[in-house]
Amino acid sequence: DGGITQSPKYLFRKEGQNVTLSCEQNLNHDAMYWYRQDPGQGLRLIYYSQIVNDFQKGDIAEGYSVSREKKESFPLTVTSAQKNPTAFYLCASSSGAYNEQFFGPGTRLTVL
Amino acid sequence: GIQVEQSPPDLILQEGANSTLRCNFSDSVNNLQWFHQNPWGQLINLFYIPSGTKQNGRLSATTVATERYSLLYISSSQTTDSGVYFCAVLYSGGGADGLTFGKGTHLIIQP
Repeated sequence: DGGITQSPKYLFRKEGQNVTLSCEQNLNHDAMYWYRQDPGQGLRLIYYSQIVNDFQKGDIAEGYSVSREKKESFPLTVTSAQKNPTAFYLCASSSGAYNEQFFGPGTRLTVL
Repeated sequence: GIQVEQSPPDLILQEGANSTLRCNFSDSVNNLQWFHQNPWGQLINLFYIPSGTKQNGRLSATTVATERYSLLYISSSQTTDSGVYFCAVLYSGGGADGLTFGKGTHLIIQP
């Protein structure tokens, strides 16, 4: 059953703590992406990776970090430097840079 | 960067009605996708349509890349069509980065 999984579905964090969101895909896609969605808004790009061991900042990368050690996995760390971390985070993948992107079910992060 | 504008922002229709959602973009694109976001937040792929016309059941889409717009048509609406519809583009002058999304059209289908 191919697809993109994200965990956890809901995450609560205290101010000042770092937290890592998981994204895994078994579609054999080369490219992976992280987006953030705020209420009533469209998605905005945080980071993207076209190949293993390489990633690039998106429009709103400040306060976030990523790694891409395996083709299947692209974890996102929300650091304490991110001023407004409460949001809905979605991971996506595609077979190539210009190809159709597919999304995971998302993680809702709430900072208490 | 590229701008994406969707209209209308909100649309309320009766079941069985037809609707047209519009997406305007400010520059040339390599990729254009339409998504439906369900109440649980899942983004469902509707169309990958950088140019031309496609149809899938009651839904169809047309992109006129030279005039920088795309249209999503929903015919014989059902209550399950309710949700937010997003248009997203990949700017051709921006390198191989991610999609730029519009703010969406919130569609409510009443029984």
